[in-house]
Amino acid sequence: DIQMTQSPSSLSASVGDRVTITCRASQTITSSLNWYQQIPGKAPKLLIYASSILQGGVPSRFSGSGSGTDFTLTITSLQPEDFATYYCQQTYRTPNTFGQGTKVEI
Amino acid sequence: QVLLVQSGTEVKKPGASVKVSCKASGFTFRNFYFHWVRQAPGQGLEWMGVTNPGGGITTYAQNFQGRITISRDVSTATVFMDLSSLTSEDTATYYCAREYGTAWAPSLDIWGQGTLVTVSS
Repeated sequence: DIQMTQSPSSLSASVGDRVTITCRASQTITSSLNWYQQIPGKAPKLLIYASSILQGGVPSRFSGSGSGTDFTLTITSLQPEDFATYYCQQTYRTPNTFGQGTKVEI
Repeated sequence: QVLLVQSGTEVKKPGASVKVSCKASGFTFRNFYFHWVRQAPGQGLEWMGVTNPGGGITTYAQNFQGRITISRDVSTATVFMDLSSLTSEDTATYYCAREYGTAWAPSLDIWGQGTLVTVSS
């Protein structure tokens, strides 16, 4: 199985901050990497697919980059509604494993 | 409106089985793959398996091999996830999700609301 490792596991930030979350795959996954946001008690929401393509309706302050084994999710100018947990997922090969999550807190 | 609506909360005893349903609406059901993902209380997301559009091909995570069956009923646009030999470690919220995008970079764009399954004696 492909292991996905996110860092950090949690971070504290303020409204207006720039936040960067990284995700590393245990082997190359080309660009088959997605990012999800999950608010407590809610289902995950797709933010970015294919490493860097913004899902429709997602604010442009979210962006993704990377290929191969190293990927990044960036949130410019953090907003109050962005405090949540973020997960990466590889869909290069089944099982389509997730990272362990990064909790963004105030 | 594109929706996946899952069945309600379940409470099961150890050793029992559970079958969770996921009804699709607002899109052409037979054209899509569907995945199941679970989340134990306070934990991360765990991928369980996927079924292809025709329903004839399923792939399961090794952790669930032999205990899980994913099926689909085109006539009712519903996907099912059946998990047997439940233990307390299966207590979790179970999500269905629609696969979207290209074959080389699929993603899960629509999710059900989740079904809480509690396993307790």
